[in-house]
Amino acid sequence: KNQVEQSPQSLIILEGKNCTLQCNYTVSPFSNLRWYKQDTGRGPVSLTIMTFSENTKSNGRYTATLDADTKQSSLHITASQLSDSASYICVVIRTNDYKLSFGAGTTVTVRA
Amino acid sequence: EAGVAQSPRYKIIEKRQSVAFWCNPISGHATLYWYQQILGQGPKLLIQFQNNGVVDDSQLPKDRFSAERLKGVDSTLKIQPAKLEDSAVYLCASSLGASGPLLLYEQYFGPGTRLTVT
Repeated sequence: KNQVEQSPQSLIILEGKNCTLQCNYTVSPFSNLRWYKQDTGRGPVSLTIMTFSENTKSNGRYTATLDADTKQSSLHITASQLSDSASYICVVIRTNDYKLSFGAGTTVTVRA
Repeated sequence: EAGVAQSPRYKIIEKRQSVAFWCNPISGHATLYWYQQILGQGPKLLIQFQNNGVVDDSQLPKDRFSAERLKGVDSTLKIQPAKLEDSAVYLCASSLGASGPLLLYEQYFGPGTRLTVT
């Protein structure tokens, strides 16, 4: 069964601090991995897209890493801001049917 | 560029009632998806359209859910009759295509419709 597991389920951090979210997957065959940000009451918005050959990808204060050998990815948020409070969802896409496998998400709360 | 539009944004109904959701994808996007997102979980694909044809509806509870995409543009998702476990956010997404280069099948999500069944 193709699965995407994320940890932690939720976390609270102080404004200005850094945090790292984890994603482990068993989806196969692998095409690419995406991190989405979902604000409360909104649909998910893509932050980064990484293919098999990419180890790291940045989007402003967001940096994603991918280890395709161990099937692990992380999303690092630097110097967090209140607007970073959201759910972050890891999504893995298969090469054969392009279907998206979603993780349950990590809810990040940034406090002043 | 306008995004994916959905309406209504919120809906509260009693069990056994019917409800319909509407989605207008990004102009020119051939592929349209409906997802169900239960609180605390990632979205689950219900149905995928390519133009006005169904590509995948394997996870759609066909005894109560139905969807259509007439003319290959707007789409409606209907639930009849609703059950308590249907309480969720229903997300609509669209993409230029369904395969090929990465950016071709990049999915853009609407804001969702939050359904509460009491």
